[in-house]
Amino acid sequence: EDQVTQSPEALRLQEGESSSLNCSYTVSGLRGLFWYRQDPGKGPEFLFTLYSAGEEKEKERLKATLTKKESFLHITAPKPEDSATYLCAVIISGSARQLTFGSGTQLTVLP
Amino acid sequence: NAGVMQNPRHLVRRRGQEARLRCSPMKGHSHVYWYRQLPEEGLKFMVYLQKENIIDESGMPKERFSAEFPKEGPSILRIQQVVRGDSAAYFCASSPIVDEQFFGPGTRLTVL
Repeated sequence: EDQVTQSPEALRLQEGESSSLNCSYTVSGLRGLFWYRQDPGKGPEFLFTLYSAGEEKEKERLKATLTKKESFLHITAPKPEDSATYLCAVIISGSARQLTFGSGTQLTVLP
Repeated sequence: NAGVMQNPRHLVRRRGQEARLRCSPMKGHSHVYWYRQLPEEGLKFMVYLQKENIIDESGMPKERFSAEFPKEGPSILRIQQVVRGDSAAYFCASSPIVDEQFFGPGTRLTVL
């Protein structure tokens, strides 16, 4: 069965304390892996798409990487405004392009 | 370029009533997806539509739920005879021909 698992479920960091969020996937074939940010009461905000193992994407303090089994979202020197739930999702090869989501990591960055 | 628009943002219905949720995709996007986020659960795919066509409805409950994306106007997710278990946040996303999906702010449905 296709599965996307995110860890940890929750993470509390001090401002400036770098860390990584993990997304592991078990799918029949990967078309693409996506990272989103979701703030309370809002819709997911698109961050990155990764297609191939070894690929990396960066945006401000965030960097996403992809291997054949997992993806990492690295947060460098986070700020309180980075507090949000980070969602990982995949599109499975041969599917009709629907996203299969993990359950998310709730990140809190303390000042 | 306006983002994905959804209305209403909040909807309250009594059990047995109908709920209609509307979604206007981003300009130039011809693909629309609906997802549901139940309390304390992750986002789950419901249906994928293009103009006048349902492409994949494998995530949609077989009864009471329907979706359309007409040639003109917004996409509509319709829930007939709502029950308390339908209370959730319903998100619409749109995409152009590439894979990235952009989400709207959601409609929060509460069934009393």
